[in-house]
Amino acid sequence: AQSVTQPDIHITVSEGASLELRCNYSYGATPYLFWYVQSPGQGLQLLLKYFSGDTLVQGIKGFEAEFKRSQSSFNLRKPSVHWSDAAEYFCAVVLSGGYNKLIFGAGTRLAVHP
Amino acid sequence: DAGVTQSPTHLIKTRGQQVTLRCSPKSGHDTVSWYQQALGQGPQFIFQYYEEEERQRGNFPDRFSGHQFPNYSSELNVNALLLGDSALYLCASRTIYGTSNLYTFGSGTRLTVV
Repeated sequence: AQSVTQPDIHITVSEGASLELRCNYSYGATPYLFWYVQSPGQGLQLLLKYFSGDTLVQGIKGFEAEFKRSQSSFNLRKPSVHWSDAAEYFCAVVLSGGYNKLIFGAGTRLAVHP
Repeated sequence: DAGVTQSPTHLIKTRGQQVTLRCSPKSGHDTVSWYQQALGQGPQFIFQYYEEEERQRGNFPDRFSGHQFPNYSSELNVNALLLGDSALYLCASRTIYGTSNLYTFGSGTRLTVV
């Protein structure tokens, strides 16, 4: 079955430290890949996406993600975390075209210590 | 340019009641999807509407139904509410053409069933 796994439920980092959030997917082919961020009580904001081409993609707020086909992974990174980055992060996939739905991971809650 | 608008923002209902949630898609979008996000979980796909028809459905009972209007807005109806239906309900819109799979999410409706 198609699935998205985010192994880390909670991560705590110090402000200014680097960050990597993990995401693995299970599909027969390469899907479209996304990272969303959700602040408390809010909807989802798209951070970045991968459709094809360069496997290192840049997003908003200084985030980047790298697609690794051999590992079925799409990990999110940021070199220096800010206190405002504290939120919940969701990895999601969708098969290309048609009416296909977004499939989300369970999310990783990020806490940032001053 | 308005994004996705959902109403109401919060709602409290009693078990057994019925509820209707509303969504206006982003301008230029013609496809609307609904997601249920229980506390501490990732969003789960309920269904998707295009051209006023349900095109795809997730693993939700028939108590969950929807509608799309000619102006592309959409409603989510839930009958015979259960405590377990308490969640954040997110609406997402996109265009079926062009760079598909770029969903825009609303801020959600927080439904509490007591």
